[in-house]
Amino acid sequence: GAGVSQSPSNKVTEKGKDVELRCDPISGHTALYWYRQSLGQGLEFLIYFQGNSAPDKSGLPSDRFSAERTGGSVSTLTIQRTQQEDSAVYLCASSSRGGTNNEQFFGPGTRLTVL
Amino acid sequence: AQSVSQHNHHVILSEAASLELGCNYSYGGTVNLFWYVQYPGQHLQLLLKYFSGDPLVKGIKGFEAEFIKSKFSFNLRKPSVQWSDTAEYFCAVNAGRTGGFKTIFGAGTRLFVKA
Repeated sequence: GAGVSQSPSNKVTEKGKDVELRCDPISGHTALYWYRQSLGQGLEFLIYFQGNSAPDKSGLPSDRFSAERTGGSVSTLTIQRTQQEDSAVYLCASSSRGGTNNEQFFGPGTRLTVL
Repeated sequence: AQSVSQHNHHVILSEAASLELGCNYSYGGTVNLFWYVQYPGQHLQLLLKYFSGDPLVKGIKGFEAEFIKSKFSFNLRKPSVQWSDTAEYFCAVNAGRTGGFKTIFGAGTRLFVKA
C-alpha cells in the first residue's frame, strides 16, 4: 500500500483479556517501530525491528507486552492480560533503513481502551 | 539514557505571531534531531530533520530549527504562524548505534493558533 496501515483502528476490551494489534509497513521498509501515545506522555518507544537483526525490546513496559515481525514485513503487537493503564494509542512507524537520519512514516494508530 | 524535553505543553498564539518551541536533549554524543507534526485527525509526519552540516535547518511550511550543540537544543521556529499550524509538535532524537538506533520523542507541544 501507499502508507503504513494499522488494524484495528479502535479496540475496546475488558481488563484481563489479550489483544493483538497489527501493523503493515510500507513495502520495502526494513525498519519498523512501535510506540505508545498517552495523553501528556508523548510517544513512548516500545520496540524496534531492523531487518533480520534481533529486535530492540528495551521499551516494552512489562512481560505482558510482546511483538513479532513475520517475514520482515507485517508486525503484531500483543498485550496479554490487559490492564486499564494499557489504554492508549499504539502507533507503528516504518523507515527505509534502520539508520539514524531516516524519516519514519507513521500509521494512523490503534486506539486501545481497556474497561 | 537519552531523553528529550519539550518545555511547553500548550501554546496559544494569534495568527501572525512568531513561534518558538523549545526542545532540549540529554545525550552528549553525535545526534540526529527531528521535529514531527500531527495535525488534527492526521498521521504524524516529518517537519524537518538535522543530521549534519548547517545547524539551521529549514522544513516544510516555513518552519525552521536551529541546532545549538553547546546548549543541547533544537528549537523550532516560525516567524508568522497561521491558523492551519494548529497541531501537536514533537521533538525527537536518535543517537545512532550508541543509543541502539532508537528514536526518542518528547512529550509534545500542543499549539493552538487563534484566527
